[in-house]
Amino acid sequence: QQQVKQSPQSLIVQKGGIPIINCAYENTAFDYFPWYQQFPGKGPALLIAIRPDVSEKKEGRFTISFNKSAKQFSLHIMDSQPGDSATYFCAASLPGTYKYIFGTGTRLKVLA
Amino acid sequence: ETGVTQTPRHLVMGMTNKKSLKCEQHLGHNAMYWYKQSAKKPLELMFVYSLEERVENNSVPSRFSPECPNSSHLFLHLHTLQPEDSALYLCASSVTQQGEQYFGPGTRLTVT
Repeated sequence: QQQVKQSPQSLIVQKGGIPIINCAYENTAFDYFPWYQQFPGKGPALLIAIRPDVSEKKEGRFTISFNKSAKQFSLHIMDSQPGDSATYFCAASLPGTYKYIFGTGTRLKVLA
Repeated sequence: ETGVTQTPRHLVMGMTNKKSLKCEQHLGHNAMYWYKQSAKKPLELMFVYSLEERVENNSVPSRFSPECPNSSHLFLHLHTLQPEDSALYLCASSVTQQGEQYFGPGTRLTVT
């Protein structure tokens, strides 16, 4: 119940394409859902985050879609660029805790 | 130095060695974290310190021993490790519970 399932494991798109990464959870008590981006040799960095009272959030070319009833959320990258090639992690956390439950990561490659 | 720094960046140690990983955050945050990142597995939270007090200990083997002497510094002392402990060890910090976690670049540990 504490897991966050992330798919796909890897993804290759052409420049300008819209990669979509999906995450699913079971515990309805989760109330904060961040996405992290990690480049090789670097630690993860927060990209965008959402709370379950919102169905969509956009920041630049990155959009989170949230489906509370399906217990799923996804990351869309508009007009993807080779510089977006990285590993993306979704996560979820419970109220008032320090603990994030992370997905297994999606390795994205955007071809020039 | 800015953000979260970790030293060393790479470490090779034998199973009988004792070594320490160091993390320093320059953000004025109150909470610090140790994570283990292994290939194709979710980031695993190991320890959380809030205001220098350990608030989370995720069933980590005693061969990993954390120390938080002040709110800016966090150590992970290692002894008699196993080859399966080889991984990227990430440090993070946040202002509060559920606050954005800022990650360091990690220490790549290889146990021979």
